[in-house]
Amino acid sequence: ETGVTQTPRHLVMGMTNKKSLKCEQHLGHNAMYWYKQSAKKPLELMFVYSLEERVENNSVPSRFSPECPNSSHLFLHLHTLQPEDSALYLCASSQEIGAGVVHEQFFGPGTRLTVL
Amino acid sequence: AQKITQTQPGMFVQEKEAVTLDCTYDTSDQSYGLFWYKQPSSGEMIFLIYQGSYDEQNATEGRYSLNFQKARKSANLVISASQLGDSAMYFCAMREGYGGSQGNLIFGKGTKLSVKP
Repeated sequence: ETGVTQTPRHLVMGMTNKKSLKCEQHLGHNAMYWYKQSAKKPLELMFVYSLEERVENNSVPSRFSPECPNSSHLFLHLHTLQPEDSALYLCASSQEIGAGVVHEQFFGPGTRLTVL
Repeated sequence: AQKITQTQPGMFVQEKEAVTLDCTYDTSDQSYGLFWYKQPSSGEMIFLIYQGSYDEQNATEGRYSLNFQKARKSANLVISASQLGDSAMYFCAMREGYGGSQGNLIFGKGTKLSVKP
C-alpha cells in the first residue's frame, strides 16, 4: 500500500449505531488530520494530531471521537450520529517538522458516510 | 482571518485548450504557502502544486502552473492542453508559515472544471 488509505470507502449507518473509520498513512509523516466535506461547503477541519498528540479540535460534537494510536494510524469513532453528519470524511497526513520542507497534505480517498 | 476565494463555481474548457482557475487569498502574514488540489468524482484530494510566498518564480508542475501575483493576493492555476481527465473539482488552499508550516490549511469552495471533447 502506498500513500494514505482509508476504510471503509462507503458506510451506511443508523443513528443508534457505533462505527469507526480507519486511516493509515505509509509516508512516514508525523501529522494526521480528519476533514469533513459536505455538499457545497468548503472542507472543514475536524481534528489534527501532531506527533500522536491532538493539537486541534474544531468544536466538533462529542459524537465524533478521534484516536491516534501511533503516527501511522488514525481512527474516527462514530456514535449516535445525525442525518446531517452524512458527508465525505477525508483523512490526510503531512510532515510537520523539517527545515525547508513544504508542508503539503496528502489525502486519502475518503469514506462516504450516510446516516439514516 | 485567513480567507480563500474562488469566484468560479463552474468552468468549461475545450479539450487541448488552456484554462485559468481563479484564486484570491487574504492574510496579513508575510510568510505563507499556497496549494492547489484536484478532487475527481472518486473523492480523493490530489495535491497538484505549491507556491511559497517568498518564491520569486511562478511554480510549475508539468501542465500545471501557478500565476502568483503577490501584490494582488492572487494565485491562479493555469492548466495547459486540457485533457478529459482534468474534469474535476479544484480547490485552492493556504496555510501560514514558511512552506505552509503553521496553523490550519484553509480551503476555498472550489471550482468545478468540465473538459469538453
